[in-house]
Amino acid sequence: QSVLTQPPSVSAAPGQKVTISCSGSSSNIGNNYVSWYQQLPGTAPKLLIYDNDKRPSGIPDRFSGSKSGTSATLGITGLQTGDEADYYCATWDSSLSAGVFGGGTKLTVL
Amino acid sequence: QVQVQQSGPGLVKPSQTLSLTCAISGDSVSSNYAAWNWIRQSPSRGLEWLGRTYFRSKWYNDYAVSVKSRITINPDTSKNQFSLQLNSVTPEDTAVYYCARGAVAGMDVWGQGTTVTVSS
Repeated sequence: QSVLTQPPSVSAAPGQKVTISCSGSSSNIGNNYVSWYQQLPGTAPKLLIYDNDKRPSGIPDRFSGSKSGTSATLGITGLQTGDEADYYCATWDSSLSAGVFGGGTKLTVL
Repeated sequence: QVQVQQSGPGLVKPSQTLSLTCAISGDSVSSNYAAWNWIRQSPSRGLEWLGRTYFRSKWYNDYAVSVKSRITINPDTSKNQFSLQLNSVTPEDTAVYYCARGAVAGMDVWGQGTTVTVSS
């Protein structure tokens, strides 16, 4: 069982918007920054969002992140078939003194 | 740009030691703002952070509780790389292993992944 909880799957039509939630606790999300990763089949994860809501250079503004309390959310607008991937949240857990990941969410663009 | 390149065997026998190396280009293992991480991924465990090493006037390490008694991550400043050693492996340690740079609050540079199988 992952320390951070994500829905196993989400789906939406091309052009639509989708959100992916990540739930944790005060020892992780509640007091630390959240990052989000996209993993296409057969490739390494790619950083999409860091510091809760910042995008690295090259990541389109269709991707957004937010945090409230002990939960975080990844939003993707204008869905494209190329967005089909697994998405993971991650943060630091101060009680464990360790990095933690969510279980991942598979996005299907119908 | 910053790149990390992994190397190491893809097959390890049970009870032996898994050893992987991550060579860094475009940054320094002794950087005062980065941390150098090992992560693994398997169908049963998903993405699992294993540990990190970083330099802030002196060297620090953090390790996941699940592997703390078996893991060592060491920097090698002479070769600008860092390594992972995982002792007493079992088939449950079979996974794809990644190294990654942690900068700000996110891991922004990842290695290509190494599939490690634990089998006799």
